[in-house]
Amino acid sequence: DSGVTQTPKHLITATGQRVTLRCSPRSGDLSVYWYQQSLDQGLQFLIQYYNGEERAKGNILERFSAQQFPDLHSELNLSSLELGDSALYFCASSVQGLNYGYTFGSGTRLTVV
Amino acid sequence: KNQVEQSPQSLIILEGKNCTLQCNYTVSPFSNLRWYKQDTGRGPVSLTIMTFSENTKSNGRYTATLDADTKQSSLHITASQLSDSASYICVVSVGNDYKLSFGAGTTVTVRA
Repeated sequence: DSGVTQTPKHLITATGQRVTLRCSPRSGDLSVYWYQQSLDQGLQFLIQYYNGEERAKGNILERFSAQQFPDLHSELNLSSLELGDSALYFCASSVQGLNYGYTFGSGTRLTVV
Repeated sequence: KNQVEQSPQSLIILEGKNCTLQCNYTVSPFSNLRWYKQDTGRGPVSLTIMTFSENTKSNGRYTATLDADTKQSSLHITASQLSDSASYICVVSVGNDYKLSFGAGTTVTVRA
């Protein structure tokens, strides 16, 4: 157990729908990062939050949004889902500014049918 | 553009043999370089992390090297085991550590 908890582990939904993925960071970590990994592709950075505020944005679609709550857990909202959104979505957490302690969760596998 | 290139894309080795994976980067400014192991369908797990001043770091049978002058890193797996079958990802941290550049990974298959 990495200490980063993601739920649900699997999600199957239809095109056009909206889903919410949840991430609880390791205890003490203030930063949360979201990544998308499509089949046989590398990890693509989506967005980072630090202590409740958006810190950096990557290749995140406008249909996707995220937030980090006061208890530091984060949610990634995916709307108007398309078949191409099927992927593994990973959350990672770290203590901001350090070179160590960047830890990934086990991911949520999203299948859009 | 910050880039991280890994080679080979995939390799197959026999159990007990050694192998070396390569990572070249053009990231600037460089902060640190990490190697992750990702089992299929699982989250990446950190193997090593090296800063600019570190040349080598080991984690069991995994040894990573870093040449900051040539911007190259390697991951050496010694006496491979079936459980080493995974994707190995090189990740370079840019500047303030919240921007990471990911390599596409090298898929290692260990056969009995």
